[in-house]
Amino acid sequence: QSLLTQPPSVSGAPGQNVTISCTGASSNIGAGYDVHWYRQFPGTAPKVLIYENNNRPSGVPDRFSGSKSGTSASLAISGLQAEDEADYYCQSYDSRLNGGVFGGGTKLTVL
Amino acid sequence: EVQLVESGGGLVQPGGSLRLSCEVSGFTVTSHYMNWVRQAPGKGLEWVSIFYSGGTTNYADSVKGRFTISRDSYKNTVFLQMDSLRAEDTAMYYCARTPMFTTYFDSWGQGTPVTVSS
Repeated sequence: QSLLTQPPSVSGAPGQNVTISCTGASSNIGAGYDVHWYRQFPGTAPKVLIYENNNRPSGVPDRFSGSKSGTSASLAISGLQAEDEADYYCQSYDSRLNGGVFGGGTKLTVL
Repeated sequence: EVQLVESGGGLVQPGGSLRLSCEVSGFTVTSHYMNWVRQAPGKGLEWVSIFYSGGTTNYADSVKGRFTISRDSYKNTVFLQMDSLRAEDTAMYYCARTPMFTTYFDSWGQGTPVTVSS
């Protein structure tokens, strides 16, 4: 069981907006550690989508945005496109484990 | 160009050992934190181990005492020695880079598969 909790799946039609939640605990997100988001297409390695809560690496469109509050974080995707269909993971640092922790992943389906 | 290339994966019997390598280019392993992250078939991502730039290491509880991470700065390569392997260690193993003083993985290799089975 992952220390960070994400919904197993979300879906939306092209053009719609979706949000993926990530709920942690007092030893990770609640302790103030940054939250990062990754996108993974089948058969490929994950790639960072949002780092340090709300920063986009170069090349990531501004349709993707991140936020964090308390023990939770969210990834928002606006104007859904077919190519957004993928698995999305949140990640933080946990002080009890002294290491990285991931959410269980959310499969985004574009209807 | 930043590149991370893993190798060394394969099929091994339970209780056996395997040594994974991650050869990097475009940066030096001493200037970043280097990690191993794994993904069991059809499952999510699991952080395995980290080698900090200063030499400190850490491990997930699931592999502590069985896996050892090391670094060869001359070869610009990071290793993961995996001993006493179990069926539940079966996964794709990724090498991932963390910029110093941060906690995220900004570059990943393509992964090397490990299967533990008799």
